[in-house]
Amino acid sequence: NAGVTQTPKFQVLKTGQSMTLQCAQDMNHEYMSWYRQDPGMGLRLIHYSVGAGITDQGEVPNGYNVSRSTTEDFPLRLLSAAPSQTSVYFCASSSLQGGTNEKLFFGSGTQLSVL
Amino acid sequence: GENVEQHPSTLSVQEGDSAVIKCTYSDSASNYFPWYKQELGKGSQLIIDIRSNVGEKKDQRIAVTLNKTAKHFSLHITETQPEDSAVYFCAATDNYGQNFVFGPGTRLSVLP
Repeated sequence: NAGVTQTPKFQVLKTGQSMTLQCAQDMNHEYMSWYRQDPGMGLRLIHYSVGAGITDQGEVPNGYNVSRSTTEDFPLRLLSAAPSQTSVYFCASSSLQGGTNEKLFFGSGTQLSVL
Repeated sequence: GENVEQHPSTLSVQEGDSAVIKCTYSDSASNYFPWYKQELGKGSQLIIDIRSNVGEKKDQRIAVTLNKTAKHFSLHITETQPEDSAVYFCAATDNYGQNFVFGPGTRLSVLP
């Protein structure tokens, strides 16, 4: 049981490049989400999904796209990277029991630098 | 929308002492308040949580208290150990109860 798996762990991009951060979970969780973590600002929600085919924006969605074609996978795409997107990115999932979101399971993070 | 503040941003304690981290929230409709621990290079893990119909919850050396009237909740760690050193995040549910708003985090250092 791997839990939530994120790849890559580290990535350096040049301004304007695109890339996809991968996230997979093997717990059959309905809810999946992406956060970015910046010093002094905690975890801020980028996008989330409550099931396959359903995605929605969080607090800071600009510059990021997501899709949820399967229950297991929730990739985050940066279409044209900017230095402001330098951050640590975390994927998290949970089981929506009765529609209530409680315990989040986090991946180990991706440290992204945009030069 | 919900806003969560957390204090202090850094906290150093001697091994064996207690540590207290405090959070305030703005939305009186929030009804679930988890605490997460993030160790260096790892994702966050849930360590304790509390629902709005409970005033206090304890799990071994860790306890959380909630004051709904004042809209604040606190994490208490007793008999601290070096392995308690980490960044701790509090959170509250957002307007729809589906997502979480996190505090900015507290870096706890337990000195041997």
